[in-house]
Amino acid sequence: DTAVSQTPKYLVTQMGNDKSIKCEQNLGHDTMYWYKQDSKKFLKIMFSYNNKELIINETVPNRFSPKSPDKAHLNLHINSLELGDSAVYFCASSQERGLSYNEQFFGPGTRLTVL
Amino acid sequence: SQELEQSPQSLIVQEGKNLTINCTSSKTLYGLYWYKQKYGEGLIFLMMLQKGGEEKSHEKITAKLDEKKQQSSLHITASQPSHAGIYLCGADFTGGGNKLTFGTGTQLKVEL
Repeated sequence: DTAVSQTPKYLVTQMGNDKSIKCEQNLGHDTMYWYKQDSKKFLKIMFSYNNKELIINETVPNRFSPKSPDKAHLNLHINSLELGDSAVYFCASSQERGLSYNEQFFGPGTRLTVL
Repeated sequence: SQELEQSPQSLIVQEGKNLTINCTSSKTLYGLYWYKQKYGEGLIFLMMLQKGGEEKSHEKITAKLDEKKQQSSLHITASQPSHAGIYLCGADFTGGGNKLTFGTGTQLKVEL
């Protein structure tokens, strides 16, 4: 059974287009995340939602808008795609257990290529 | 400069050899996480070390956190091809456990 799934796995699109990436977790976790990994493999958090509420919003352009219809889903919508948006986007989820313990479960990633 | 630096950036070892990857923080650590990423896949959690310093082992992998140095090391004993991948350390700088700042990554290749 897939714990954290993302669709699509690959996404190739033209500059200026709008696209969405979907993420679902079946672990019953209450927190979900979006990360961006650039070509140098540097992984940086973008957003985090806890029970459908935004709790972390890093310095990300307004063109990126996360949407959480329920606590099992966190989708990422990107408007007016730019060349610099090309990266691998990872979704993750975790269950808060206190004591700063926060094992995050990652999806397989979505490789976005903007032409 | 990065808040979390890993070294080395890349490593090639022969099967059966031991190796160590280091992760150094410029800020106080509340928790330190180690993940492994295989090419084209997501990250797999390896272990988490708590503030205060501790050591954990799982199979042939041992991780330590030195609170004084704000540094963690990941040691692999008798490396195997299955250990190949990118190792990432992630730091909790806030204490809340939700926001992880990741290091620059170490790419490990294990040659037969």
